[in-house]
Amino acid sequence: QVQLQESGPGLVKPSETLSLTCTVSGGSISSYYWSWVRQPPGRGLEWIGYIYYSGTTNYNPSLESRVTMSVDTSTNQFSLRLSSVTAADTAVYYCARPSRLATSAAPFDIWGQGTLVTVSS
Amino acid sequence: DIQMTQSPSSLSASVGDRVTITCRASQSISKYLNWYQQKPGKAPKLLIYAASSLQSGVPSRFSGSGSGTDFTLTISSLQPDDVASYSCQQTFITPQTFGQGTKLDIK
Repeated sequence: QVQLQESGPGLVKPSETLSLTCTVSGGSISSYYWSWVRQPPGRGLEWIGYIYYSGTTNYNPSLESRVTMSVDTSTNQFSLRLSSVTAADTAVYYCARPSRLATSAAPFDIWGQGTLVTVSS
Repeated sequence: DIQMTQSPSSLSASVGDRVTITCRASQSISKYLNWYQQKPGKAPKLLIYAASSLQSGVPSRFSGSGSGTDFTLTISSLQPDDVASYSCQQTFITPQTFGQGTKLDIK
């Protein structure tokens, strides 16, 4: 079955760039819209954006100026970069896959385990 | 952005109780409403999609209803394993947005 695994540094300094990768195993990255979602400690979930396997992106306007997503179909991975981070970006970051092919409106039925990224000097 | 407002923010109920959580959207989202369960330290788990469809493998005591702006998640008979936070999500338009969550525990 399809599994997602986030990887990347757990500690990032203020003003630097947060970089995370999500590896898709047990299935193909093709034909899905792949999302990133984050959750600050003790708070609700926030959708960061998605990337289609073809490279098409859609970012949350609240983060759009700082977010870049990319996809590598040869390695079955997609990535998130968030620049100029502050303490407010401290959160558990999840990658997620919708339940149906080729639609961004389907619910997320597969999630990574999440990775805590702390922004601190 | 569409704002999703859940109520209550927290609740405590007894085993066997019927529990209802509501989610209100700031504008109509048709039936593009999903419910997730999240236990501490774990990723969210999809319970209900398209407002009222039960995700495969989810116990039948969970149900969802609503359309437009008002939605409910109901647990017909609360079990100890249902202690968790519950969040709604709209996927009608981007940015997708979530409710702030409802924390459910056992009395």
